[in-house]
Amino acid sequence: AQSVTQLGSHVSVSEGALVLLRCNYSSSVPPYLFWYVQYPNQGLQLLLKYTTGATLVKGINGFEAEFKKSETSFHLTKPSAHMSDAAEYFCAVTGNTGFQKLVFGTGTRLLVSP
Amino acid sequence: GAVVSQHPSWVICKSGTSVKIECRSLDFQATTMFWYRQFPKQSLMLMATSNEGSKATYEQGVEKDKFLINHASLTLSTLTVTSAHPEDSSFYICSAPGTSAYNEQFFGPGTRLTVL
Repeated sequence: AQSVTQLGSHVSVSEGALVLLRCNYSSSVPPYLFWYVQYPNQGLQLLLKYTTGATLVKGINGFEAEFKKSETSFHLTKPSAHMSDAAEYFCAVTGNTGFQKLVFGTGTRLLVSP
Repeated sequence: GAVVSQHPSWVICKSGTSVKIECRSLDFQATTMFWYRQFPKQSLMLMATSNEGSKATYEQGVEKDKFLINHASLTLSTLTVTSAHPEDSSFYICSAPGTSAYNEQFFGPGTRLTVL
């Protein structure tokens, strides 16, 4: 079974500041981890994913995340926030044994101020 | 590639009527699709797994007689909300897994249902 915890329902940053969105997971099997972004009244867009191999993964729009097995974490970062980054971000996990359902965290709303 | 569409994007209906939402994989085949429900400012809740050619698998607590799912072809799944009530108002999103082995899912743009 898998679960995801996203700390902080809201994160506020200034434009140009570092973005850090936290995600911790629990999985009984080696996990596949995903970050999705959702803009208002839209579906989810994949930012990045970790499956195997390199633990630091780079995604779209300048985001990256690092898989840390010892900390069961997959935090999302971006060096410099843009106003257009304001959205809802979801971390999700699934197992690597056959096809399994995605389990989502509760989401973090990123607010970017000028 | 890997585009999922939904129709309609929004719908308003009267209480007691039924509403059908379509989910299509446009450039790939999907033997499985997933239906989610999202309340305002909340996460996605998986409602059911739609299986082409067989019955859908519903998550615990989801009324299968109220949320009818039909996966008629390898590119189309439909969700019908029967006898809709205001509490069924929500954002419904479908997804389909891609062809990779990594359980990656591609999401539709969602359907906003408002029941008056």
